[in-house]
Amino acid sequence: DTEVTQTPKHLVMGMTNKKSLKCEQHMGHRAMYWYKQKAKKPPELMFVYSYEKLSINESVPSRFSPECPNSSLLNLHLHALQPEDSALYLCASSQVFSRKGSSEAFFGQGTRLTVV
Amino acid sequence: EDQVTQSPEALRLQEGESSSLNCSYTVSGLRGLFWYRQDPGKGPEFLFTLYSAGEEKEKERLKATLTKKESFLHITAPKPEDSATYLCAVGWGSSNTGKLIFGQGTTLQVKP
Repeated sequence: DTEVTQTPKHLVMGMTNKKSLKCEQHMGHRAMYWYKQKAKKPPELMFVYSYEKLSINESVPSRFSPECPNSSLLNLHLHALQPEDSALYLCASSQVFSRKGSSEAFFGQGTRLTVV
Repeated sequence: EDQVTQSPEALRLQEGESSSLNCSYTVSGLRGLFWYRQDPGKGPEFLFTLYSAGEEKEKERLKATLTKKESFLHITAPKPEDSATYLCAVGWGSSNTGKLIFGQGTTLQVKP
């Protein structure tokens, strides 16, 4: 099973709202990621968790707050977003170590976020 | 500067017309090259991982190859269901946690 499940699939929120995106995987992966993808652009890395600890933050604004409660779950808490934050938010997971190098990441179907 | 460039940006083929997509990279410390397929509004679907120059991987009508500077995704006798955006990504850095740099993608349309 190479499934990463994201909820909700669609989300519309106002600029004063607080919401959370959720991601779950049961592949035993110990690295989990949040990516942001705008229309007709490639995914851009936001955060990386390795063994439930934040290892990479790509200078993301503090209105995005990640959380990794356990090895299977990843959340992205949203607060005071701007309309330009509207995008497809993708969660991914991978093995941490590979004897050859980086391991392939498996992506969820994404949450389509619209900020109004 | 670390960079991944895909060409062409868009490709239109007739069903059965074979072609190749290109991914060139300038990355220090390459830790793997990955191909993904992405359908509109969905997450990228993993296709292949390549680690060493000369390596090749195949799956149905797709074949990926790697040299020291570029990778090719060969599509043999494509079908309309192969229409999608194909993304190339490079694993980069000193960490093994899979930090990826993506190319801009090639949007493939296969007409019946």
